[in-house]
Amino acid sequence: GAGVSQSPSNKVTEKGKDVELRCDPISGHTALYWYRQSLGQGLEFLIYFQGNSAPDKSGLPSDRFSAERTGGSVSTLTIQRTQQEDSAVYLCASSVGGDTQYFGPGTRLTVL
Amino acid sequence: GESVGLHLPTLSVQEGDNSIINCAYSNSASDYFIWYKQESGKGPQFIIDIRSNMDKRQGQRVTVLLNKTVKHLSLQIAATQPGDSAVYFCAEKPNNTDKLIFGTGTRLQVFP
Repeated sequence: GAGVSQSPSNKVTEKGKDVELRCDPISGHTALYWYRQSLGQGLEFLIYFQGNSAPDKSGLPSDRFSAERTGGSVSTLTIQRTQQEDSAVYLCASSVGGDTQYFGPGTRLTVL
Repeated sequence: GESVGLHLPTLSVQEGDNSIINCAYSNSASDYFIWYKQESGKGPQFIIDIRSNMDKRQGQRVTVLLNKTVKHLSLQIAATQPGDSAVYFCAEKPNNTDKLIFGTGTRLQVFP
């Protein structure tokens, strides 16, 4: 079956612009997660959604970052007024419940 | 704070040999551990997981060992193949959350 998909695969933007990154989770997965991976580093948790519960936003680095999950499926991560330090690969994962997380291919964001 | 770390940033092995990748974790409240493989330009791929009530779990050519006494996790790959070349991440999940805490990764290089 289809895995987690993300779009765009690459995004280049200018400092100060807003960007939106999209994640389509595996069908039927109730939990959705966003992580950030800087070059040569491990994954840094950003936010996760579990069913209809309030999202855990504890990993968002600043109020410029926000995420939505509409209809319990697709999620959008928005970064406002992008900064150069936001450059990274943004990875989305989904799971049934809270165990094994399956990752998408990521969106590589470059802020010039 | 919480952290998951790896002892060896790069591991080089000869094709056919066994590989062992190690990981230390710091949160004694973690009850679920997982290994991911990440190839260049791709998202992390699930390899194997283990719960804290187990100390060993085997998959196809891979074995995960968990030593809760010293908070140590290892991934053993039997008969390492060129296709195993990638960065390997361990991750832990504290029992009061669904988010994963990742280490910085170990690069496995397989040479003929």
